[in-house]
Amino acid sequence: DSGVTQTPKHLITATGQRVTLRCSPRSGDLSVYWYQQSLDQGLQFLIQYYNGEERAKGNILERFSAQQFPDLHSELNLSSLELGDSALYFCASSPDRVKAFFGQGTRLTVV
Amino acid sequence: AQSVSQHNHHVILSEAASLELGCNYSYGGTVNLFWYVQYPGQHLQLLLKYFSGDPLVKGIKGFEAEFIKSKFSFNLRKPSVQWSDTAEYFCAVGNTGKLIFGQGTTLQVKP
Repeated sequence: DSGVTQTPKHLITATGQRVTLRCSPRSGDLSVYWYQQSLDQGLQFLIQYYNGEERAKGNILERFSAQQFPDLHSELNLSSLELGDSALYFCASSPDRVKAFFGQGTRLTVV
Repeated sequence: AQSVSQHNHHVILSEAASLELGCNYSYGGTVNLFWYVQYPGQHLQLLLKYFSGDPLVKGIKGFEAEFIKSKFSFNLRKPSVQWSDTAEYFCAVGNTGKLIFGQGTTLQVKP
């Protein structure tokens, strides 16, 4: 158990819909990262938050957004979903912005 | 451009065989190198990491990796694999927590 909790574990939704993925980092970790793992793109960094502020952006689509709340949990919002958004979305937290501890992931299936 | 390349996409070995998974990176600045493992249906787990110092690093479960700066490589090794090592292995490079992952290598160990 990495200490990072992601909910839900599985999500099935239709194209055009909007979903929210939730991540609770390890206790005390200020940094949260979101990654997308898909068959064609592999594992890609999406976005990083540190203590509530956005710190780095990767290959995140404009239809996607994220935020980190005062209690340090984070949410990844995916809107206008397309079939190609089907993937495993990982959250990771870090105590030092170098090591990363990954959650179990949320498997999103868009039908 | 920053990138990580894993040479082997799918490796099949018999138990007790030796393992070496190749990883080459292209990255500017201070390099922190990682190997992660993802067992079927599970989250990413850190196998080992290199920040500085001894270029031969030892990780969990008998894995080790050698950082060769002149070759921009960070190959993963294990002298004798077990069936339980069947998993996907990711090499990653990063700084300030934003990790760039290779495409991954699927290792299948036959009993």
